[in-house]
Amino acid sequence: QVQLVQSGAELKKPGASVRVSCTASGNTFTPYDINWVRQAPGQGLEWVGWINPNSNTGYAQNFQGRVTISRATSIGTVYMDLNSLRSEDTAVYYCARFEVGRAFTTWGQGTMVTVSS
Amino acid sequence: EILLTQSPGTLSLSPGERATLSCRASQSVRSNYLAWYQQKPGQAPRLLIYGASSRSTGIPDRFSGSGSGTDFTLTISRLEPEDFAVYYCHHYGFGRDSFGQGTRLEI
Repeated sequence: QVQLVQSGAELKKPGASVRVSCTASGNTFTPYDINWVRQAPGQGLEWVGWINPNSNTGYAQNFQGRVTISRATSIGTVYMDLNSLRSEDTAVYYCARFEVGRAFTTWGQGTMVTVSS
Repeated sequence: EILLTQSPGTLSLSPGERATLSCRASQSVRSNYLAWYQQKPGQAPRLLIYGASSRSTGIPDRFSGSGSGTDFTLTISRLEPEDFAVYYCHHYGFGRDSFGQGTRLEI
């Protein structure tokens, strides 16, 4: 049973960058497609982007140029880097495992990123 | 990107009643790659339905999904107290995912 464990909460100033990690525990021998989704306080879900086992990536239009998703397969970890942070980026960021045809079957616990001066 | 519009925004019902949630897409959803999630306060979303109508592992059979093309429905046949939460639909699978804005199901 795969579980996704994310890094801890972050407090950043406007203009800074943040890195959030997502590590698979359980079956780490098979790399998966991993997606990132964020949720601003009191708001809905917003898709950020994805990475597949070959490290091909895709990003939502709203984040193009500001987000980079990468992976370190040997340690079963995926990273999301978001730069030029602004207050509107304050949100909980989730990683989620995508299974073909089955959508996002497993989610991380979420990482709160707060952007404030 | 496919835009998903959920209705109603809030649905007020009582335990034992039937709930019907709607999700309308701005264009036809290929392969019926439409999922539904349940989210409770302080928790990550939980996958209920994928492929428009297939229940995910461990999901009770009071949850059912239907629809195709641009119109999809999540039905909860008899509401249990633990079903009161926010529900999201999700278009997936082609690298341009999108979510609906959510329906809050309240007592």
